[in-house]
Amino acid sequence: DSGVTQTPKHLITATGQRVTLRCSPRSGDLSVYWYQQSLDQGLQFLIHYYNGEERAKGNILERFSAQQFPDLHSELNLSSLELGDSALYFCASSVAAWGSSPLHFGNGTRLTVT
Amino acid sequence: DAKTTQPNSMESNEEEPVHLPCNHSTISGTDYIHWYRQLPSQGPEYVIHGLTSNVNNRMASLAIAEDRKSSTLILHRATLRDAAVYYCILYQKVTFGIGTKLQVIP
Repeated sequence: DSGVTQTPKHLITATGQRVTLRCSPRSGDLSVYWYQQSLDQGLQFLIHYYNGEERAKGNILERFSAQQFPDLHSELNLSSLELGDSALYFCASSVAAWGSSPLHFGNGTRLTVT
Repeated sequence: DAKTTQPNSMESNEEEPVHLPCNHSTISGTDYIHWYRQLPSQGPEYVIHGLTSNVNNRMASLAIAEDRKSSTLILHRATLRDAAVYYCILYQKVTFGIGTKLQVIP
């Protein structure tokens, strides 16, 4: 158990809809990262927050947005969903904002868009 | 962005050592080298990380070239549980590539 909690585990929704994925980091971790993994693809970095502030953006679509709240949990909002958004979405957390500490991943949210 | 290059797949016999290579020729002086592994439908699991010196932990060893342009993850005795996709990343935008799929043969 990594200590990172992601909810829900599974989500099935229709095209055009909007969903919110939630991540609770490990206790004491200030950084939260979001990744997308499509079938048989590598992990695509989406966005990184540190202590409530956005630190880095990767290949995140304009239809997607995220935030980190004062209690350090994070939410990833996906809107105007398309079939191609079907994927596993992982959240990871770490103590620091930079590379000296490991990333700890949750078990992901599997999103299916029909 | 600094990138890494890994072989797509490797095979190893059970109970033999495995050396997984990673090239990162554009690494900068402050980039940490991290290794993770992932089983199907699970989140990646941290394996090891380092900056300049070789590192050992209970899971593996990390050998870093003197010029830091490459590194090698060493699993000292491969078990069936080690069969996974292994990712080598540099800690800039923590971008993962496709990784190396390790197959362990009994």
